[in-house]
Amino acid sequence: DAGVTQSPTHLIKTRGQQVTLRCSPKSGHDTVSWYQQALGQGPQFIFQYYEEEERQRGNFPDRFSGHQFPNYSSELNVNALLLGDSALYLCASSFGLAAPEQFFGPGTRLTVL
Amino acid sequence: GENVEQHPSTLSVQEGDSAVIKCTYSDSASNYFPWYKQELGKRPQLIIDIRSNVGEKKDQRIAVTLNKTAKHFSLHITETQPEDSAVYFCAASRGNFGNEKLTFGTGTRLTIIP
Repeated sequence: DAGVTQSPTHLIKTRGQQVTLRCSPKSGHDTVSWYQQALGQGPQFIFQYYEEEERQRGNFPDRFSGHQFPNYSSELNVNALLLGDSALYLCASSFGLAAPEQFFGPGTRLTVL
Repeated sequence: GENVEQHPSTLSVQEGDSAVIKCTYSDSASNYFPWYKQELGKRPQLIIDIRSNVGEKKDQRIAVTLNKTAKHFSLHITETQPEDSAVYFCAASRGNFGNEKLTFGTGTRLTIIP
């Protein structure tokens, strides 16, 4: 039973570029939430996808967008990268209507130069 | 929105002693409170959680207590071991389901001294 997977592991971009991060949820899960974790901080909620729609959104600008595919995997897109976007991006999967537990993937470390 | 405060930010205890980490939350509608352990360079790992209809939950050396009236909850680790060294995060959410966002505390770096 595969857990939550994310790709790539690390990514280096320059300011102004665009990036796409990918997440595959744990088997049997249908909900994907994305979090940004700055160094030394707790994860901050970006948004959540369920039934291929964005259901909730945290306090992040429109430069952050996402998508969920029919197989429940998800992408996080960030446009016009800023230095402050450097962080660990985590996705968490859950079974939306069954239980509150969220399980995290290993994250993608994004560095913006 | 929800705000979760966590204390202390760092904690050092002798191996075998107990460690306690405390969190307070602001949203009285929050009803699910998980704790995550994050080792260096690793993913946050769910170690224990509690729902608002329960005051205490225990799993071997780990326990969590919840005081809804005071809006605070705590993580207790007994008989600490070197492998307990990590950063611990508390979180809160409104839902009983997996489609509610988690609001995290700022973390506690726990160091177990051999």
